[in-house]
Amino acid sequence: AQSVTQLGSHVSVSEGALVLLRCNYSSSVPPYLFWYVQYPNQGLQLLLKYTTGATLVKGINGFEAEFKKSETSFHLTKPSAHMSDAAEYFCAVVTGANSKLTFGKGITLSVRP
Amino acid sequence: DVKVTQSSRYLVKRTGEKVFLECVQDMDHENMFWYRQDPGLGLRLIYFSYDVKMKEKGDIPEGYSVSREKKERFSLILESASTNQTSMYLCASSFGVGTGDRGRDTQYFGPGTRLTVL
Repeated sequence: AQSVTQLGSHVSVSEGALVLLRCNYSSSVPPYLFWYVQYPNQGLQLLLKYTTGATLVKGINGFEAEFKKSETSFHLTKPSAHMSDAAEYFCAVVTGANSKLTFGKGITLSVRP
Repeated sequence: DVKVTQSSRYLVKRTGEKVFLECVQDMDHENMFWYRQDPGLGLRLIYFSYDVKMKEKGDIPEGYSVSREKKERFSLILESASTNQTSMYLCASSFGVGTGDRGRDTQYFGPGTRLTVL
């Protein structure tokens, strides 16, 4: 069965610092992987997704993620954090047919001035 | 742009009440989903529907039912609300399988309904 693991529940960085949010997956088939962001009191918004092709995926708001099959990872990065990046971030993997997703538990990103 | 709307942002109900949460999407998506979100547990799938009148249980269907009479609308029903159903409820939709493009697996989410059961 497909699953994702997001270690830790909270990450805090200084404004301008590198953002690194980790996601590891488990999948018996080639995985389709997603990162979603949830700002306070809002629904989830797609940041980026990996389906096939290029393993480095660029998303919105300067985020990118690299699919590494050998490490079963899909970590999310941003070179320079901005205060507006403070939110909860979810990694997800497609599970079976009908585009069902299995989500990680989420990581809350705080950005210090 | 895809738009998924939910009938209420905040809802307060009493134990034992029957509760209806409504979700509407405007992109002719085949698939629709109901999740609940709780701190430290992420999103958990309650039910999903891949066509009108078709539904399948997700990971935590107990205490819930759903209805999909029209393609654009998917309702979540709490037959007899209990305090442990206090949560954030999120609806999502996506294109159907068989489109030939797995990239269309993207789910689009509504703003959520924060339900409190007293």
